[in-house]
Amino acid sequence: QKEVEQDPGPLSVPEGAIVSLNCTYSNSAFQYFMWYRQYSRKGPELLMYTYSSGNKEDGRFTAQVDKSSKYISLFIRDSQPSDSATYLCASRRSNQAGTALIFGKGTTLSVSS
Amino acid sequence: NAGVTQTPKFRVLKTGQSMTLLCAQDMNHEYMYWYRQDPGMGLRLIHYSVGEGTTAKGEVPDGYNVSRLKKQNFLLGLESAAPSQTSVYFCASSYPGGSNQPQHFGDGTRLSIL
Repeated sequence: QKEVEQDPGPLSVPEGAIVSLNCTYSNSAFQYFMWYRQYSRKGPELLMYTYSSGNKEDGRFTAQVDKSSKYISLFIRDSQPSDSATYLCASRRSNQAGTALIFGKGTTLSVSS
Repeated sequence: NAGVTQTPKFRVLKTGQSMTLLCAQDMNHEYMYWYRQDPGMGLRLIHYSVGEGTTAKGEVPDGYNVSRLKKQNFLLGLESAAPSQTSVYFCASSYPGGSNQPQHFGDGTRLSIL
């Protein structure tokens, strides 16, 4: 079992929809959780970062972590065509140098106008 | 403002050939990383460096070597390329700290080994 599981989709929604992207993880030691966005033929860019459980909001984006169920979510409100990309969740055990970021496979999102 | 620049962008090799991928960053970052991205596997860390002159193994280091002779450059070498190394390779850099220090990625090198 991969340590971070993510449904690859694809997920297609109309403009303005609320999007829910989800990951599960298996390693209880994971404490740091991130969402990266990757446009086609580009490198990933960090969208959101959370530590331990709870919610974090940044504009139209909300990241949520539930450590009791080992569930990571990213919500996108009022989705736009420019949100069309692959979204990668990532986790790590600690902040020590060299502690690998473990990425999910990514979910491909398409927002149609 | 270049950020992280990877060269080359594309390359086709024959099995057994060698090559070096170059990563350059202009953000004065201490940490640099090499990842590979494969369909169905996600991003996996190959090697990383926490400073000039230092390197360490990541999750999938076999078949690769790295060097960090200058702070701004991180080289990834394939001594004898194998078809299993066909992948998209990403370099990233960051300040020291941890997850709240974002890793800035280049746009990747697409490598095919025939």
